[in-house]
Amino acid sequence: GAVVSQHPSWVICKSGTSVKIECRSLDFQATTMFWYRQFPKQSLMLMATSNEGSKATYEQGVEKDKFLINHASLTLSTLTVTSAHPEDSSFYICSAGDRDSYNEQFFGPGTRLTVL
Amino acid sequence: SQKIEQNSEALNIQEGKTATLTCNYTNYSPAYLQWYRQDPGRGPVFLLLIRENEKEKRKERLKVTFDTTLKQSLFHITASQPADSATYLCALLLNSGYALNFGKGTSLLVTP
Repeated sequence: GAVVSQHPSWVICKSGTSVKIECRSLDFQATTMFWYRQFPKQSLMLMATSNEGSKATYEQGVEKDKFLINHASLTLSTLTVTSAHPEDSSFYICSAGDRDSYNEQFFGPGTRLTVL
Repeated sequence: SQKIEQNSEALNIQEGKTATLTCNYTNYSPAYLQWYRQDPGRGPVFLLLIRENEKEKRKERLKVTFDTTLKQSLFHITASQPADSATYLCALLLNSGYALNFGKGTSLLVTP
């Protein structure tokens, strides 16, 4: 099956620093990737839709200047949390759909971000 | 407002029994409904997809029903095993190529 990887799997940083999270589709091309955030015992909330070669589309309430998304190739999207604060601590998950079948999405293992 | 509701309380069942999880939604007209499994600290894993014009879908010990009139999906695991213990997420896909809208999930615990 299709595999999506994320790196790092967890990160701890100081308040005010920036953190970059990578999402890769390993064995298929993904023109669209999605970034979600999940707080404990909550559902996955969509943050943004990342389209290869164009600007990301952000959901209402998500600051595009704080959560920078770059989808430079068909297999890589990055999410950078700029000037991170403790309230940004969460589980960040990306997903990707095979370009021929968007119906089935494949999720990465997630990145646990802790901001001290 | 749009809502996706799943049993908030954990479901505890005995090994070998059938587990039934419910997903209800309001103010959506999904083209597809999906079920995912999520283990603690991990990303969701796709299990089954059912289209709006399908009533039922099966895959090994899993069965999903989709009633667009009731706006409800039922997810069944037959002959449940302790390894089936996880959180199960219901997700709606409005159109192909769009993001999923998730419920909060139902925690299932299968005891030997």
